[in-house]
Amino acid sequence: GAVVSQHPSRVICKSGTSVKIECRSLDFQATTMFWYRQFPKQSLMLMATSNEGSKATYEQGVEKDKFLINHASLTLSTLTVTSAHPEDSSFYICSALLLAGVSEQYFGPGTRLTVT
Amino acid sequence: AQKVTQAQTEISVVEKEDVTLDCVYETRDTTYYLFWYKQPPSGELVFLIRRNSFDEQNEISGRYSWNFQKSTSSFNFTITASQVVDSAVYFCALTSKAAGNKLTFGGGTRVLVKP
Repeated sequence: GAVVSQHPSRVICKSGTSVKIECRSLDFQATTMFWYRQFPKQSLMLMATSNEGSKATYEQGVEKDKFLINHASLTLSTLTVTSAHPEDSSFYICSALLLAGVSEQYFGPGTRLTVT
Repeated sequence: AQKVTQAQTEISVVEKEDVTLDCVYETRDTTYYLFWYKQPPSGELVFLIRRNSFDEQNEISGRYSWNFQKSTSSFNFTITASQVVDSAVYFCALTSKAAGNKLTFGGGTRVLVKP
C-alpha cells in the first residue's frame, strides 16, 4: 500500500525556535497533503491543506504565519512551526491523497513536538 | 458543515466480550465517504474501512464488522471477541469531494480491553 513518512518522529525544542517537520509520500505522487494537529486525548483537527505548487489553505483559527507550509514537490510537504511556544506542543500528523478524486488519505506516523 | 459524533468517549470491556462503537454523522452532501481508523498508543493511524454513501451493505472483516444505516446517519463498528491488542482509540471520519476531501473526525472512542 501507499506509504507516507514523517521526519522527525519526535522533536524537543526551546521556546522561540522554529521546527520543520517533513512529510513524504514514498511510493506515490501526492498533489494534495493535509496537516493535522492532535492534542492529548483529543481528536485530530485539520490545520491546513497543502497543494503542490500553490499556497496552502488554512483552516479557520490556524495562524498561517506561525505554521508555514511548503509543498514544493509531488512527494514532499513541510510544516514549519515558527517561534514555537509550549502551547504548540502537540502531535502533528500529515496525510497524502493518492488520487485527485475522493480516495483514502494515507497517514504518516506523526511527529510529537515538545516545546520547553 | 460536516460533523461526526462519537458519543462514547471510553469503553472498558473484558477480553472476549463484544464491543460496539457508535458513530453518527451529519452532511448535506449526497455523495460522501465514511471511515474508521484505529490509533494505538504509538499514535500512528491505522486505516480500517472506507464506505461510500451508496453502499449500505454491512461488512465483516475477521472480528470486525460495520453497520451502515443511512436512514439514521450512523456507521457503527463492532469488535467481536475483543482482545487486549484491540485496546486503542478508534476514530470515525467523514469526507466528500464537495468538502475538498477534507476529513472530519469524530471525537474518538477509547477502548480498553482487560485480560
